[in-house]
Amino acid sequence: AQKVTQAQTEISVVEKEDVTLDCVYETRDTTYYLFWYKQPPSGELVFLIRRNSFDEQNEISGRYSWNFQKSTSSFNFTITASQVVDSAVYFCALSDSGAGSYQLTFGKGTKLSVIP
Amino acid sequence: KAGVTQTPRYLIKTRGQQVTLSCSPISGHRSVSWYQQTPGQGLQFLFEYFSETQRNKGNFPGRFSGRQFSNSRSEMNVSTLELGDSALYLCASSLSGRGDYEQYFGPGTRLTVT
Repeated sequence: AQKVTQAQTEISVVEKEDVTLDCVYETRDTTYYLFWYKQPPSGELVFLIRRNSFDEQNEISGRYSWNFQKSTSSFNFTITASQVVDSAVYFCALSDSGAGSYQLTFGKGTKLSVIP
Repeated sequence: KAGVTQTPRYLIKTRGQQVTLSCSPISGHRSVSWYQQTPGQGLQFLFEYFSETQRNKGNFPGRFSGRQFSNSRSEMNVSTLELGDSALYLCASSLSGRGDYEQYFGPGTRLTVT
C-alpha cells in the first residue's frame, strides 16, 4: 500500500527565511511519481512539481527547490527567502504504477505561515 | 487554455437529500478524478474516469457514484446525504490519469449538509 507522511503539521517563519517542508513516502513499486501541490486559502490545489522515480536530480524553480532521495524515500521541498504570498497548505502526493496508478495518495499537508 | 471548472462552487443540502456535482476538464484531457477533502481525513480519492469508464474507485460507500460523458465532462452524485459528507469536493483532470502526466485541479465545490 502506498502512503505519504508529512510530519510537520504547521510551520511559521518570518519573511525572507528559508523553510523546508518534509515528505516521506512508502510504495512497493519501482516506478512511481511524486507531486507537490499548494493550496492557498481560496481552496484550489495548485500544481507545483511532478517527479518520477527514475529521476533523482534535484530541481530548482525560482525560489522553490526540491530534493528527491530514494535512499530515504523522501521528497523535500524548500522555499528560499519566503514571502507572505507563500502562506498556504502544501501537500505532497504519490502515484504508483500498481493498483493505485490512477489516483494520488496525499499526505496530510503542512500549513505554512509566513509572518511579515 | 481554460482550467478545470466545477459547478456549483457552493451548495447547502439537507440530510437525506441527494446532490450532483459537475466537473469540466481541461480541453483534451480525458481523465477526470474526484477527491473529497475534510479537516479530519484530509484529501481522499473517490474515483477516476477515462473515456467514460471508471478505472479506479476509492474506499467510499455506494452512495457516492460518478459518471463521465463522451465530451470528458464528469459528474459525481451523492445520495442520502449525511452530515459527514460535508466537505470540499475537488475534481482533477489529466491526459492519462496516471502519474506520468500532471493532474490539474479545479476550484472545488464546497458542500455543506445540515
